Amino acid sequence: KQEVTQIPAALSVPEGENLVLNCSFTDSAIYNLQWFRQDPGKGLTSLLLIQSSQREQTSGRLNASLDKSSGRSTLYIAASQPGDSATYLCAFLRDTGKLIFGQGTTLQVKP
Amino acid sequence: DAGVIQSPRHEVTEMGQEVTLRCKPISGHDYLFWYRQTMMRGLELLIYFNNNVPIDDSGMPEDRFSAKMPNASFSTLKIQPSEPRDSAVYFCASSLTGTANTGELFFGEGSRLTVL
Repeated sequence: KQEVTQIPAALSVPEGENLVLNCSFTDSAIYNLQWFRQDPGKGLTSLLLIQSSQREQTSGRLNASLDKSSGRSTLYIAASQPGDSATYLCAFLRDTGKLIFGQGTTLQVKP
Repeated sequence: DAGVIQSPRHEVTEMGQEVTLRCKPISGHDYLFWYRQTMMRGLELLIYFNNNVPIDDSGMPEDRFSAKMPNASFSTLKIQPSEPRDSAVYFCASSLTGTANTGELFFGEGSRLTVL
């Protein structure tokens, strides 16, 4: 059973579009939810972290929201750029310290 | 801080050989995680430690895999004997989790293992 589901699995958009990546999780006992970026052949870089008591976090053109009651998080990217092309992963941290990842959404932003 | 440091970055070995991957977490972090990433299965949690103690090793594929954390600044993941299906990128990550901290996870660059 997949504990974290990310939709869509892949996305291709023209430069300048605003876009939303979705993440749903089955466990409501979360400590926090994190969004990561992974470039090909590289490690993961933390983008945003939302504590369980928070609703959203913003960093530049990125905004992440968290709705624990519905088990959903979204990552909003405004005015997308070719440099945003990467795989985006969400993960939730259980109270036990265990971090569970989704499969990721691979984004391509075309110039 | 230099971040999470993993070695080697790349390893190519033959089936049956022993492989040891190493990780140095960020100083002061109390959690350390080992993940494996493949195209087919994505990121899988293998094992994690809290204050050097293994908390959950249910993700370790089989007895060929073992992990240790002898002190707060060093951990190893060992595969013996290695098999071609172990080929993957192995990531180490660390975090500082507590009521006064965010629990943000920091990843190393990964160790790419190829077993021929």
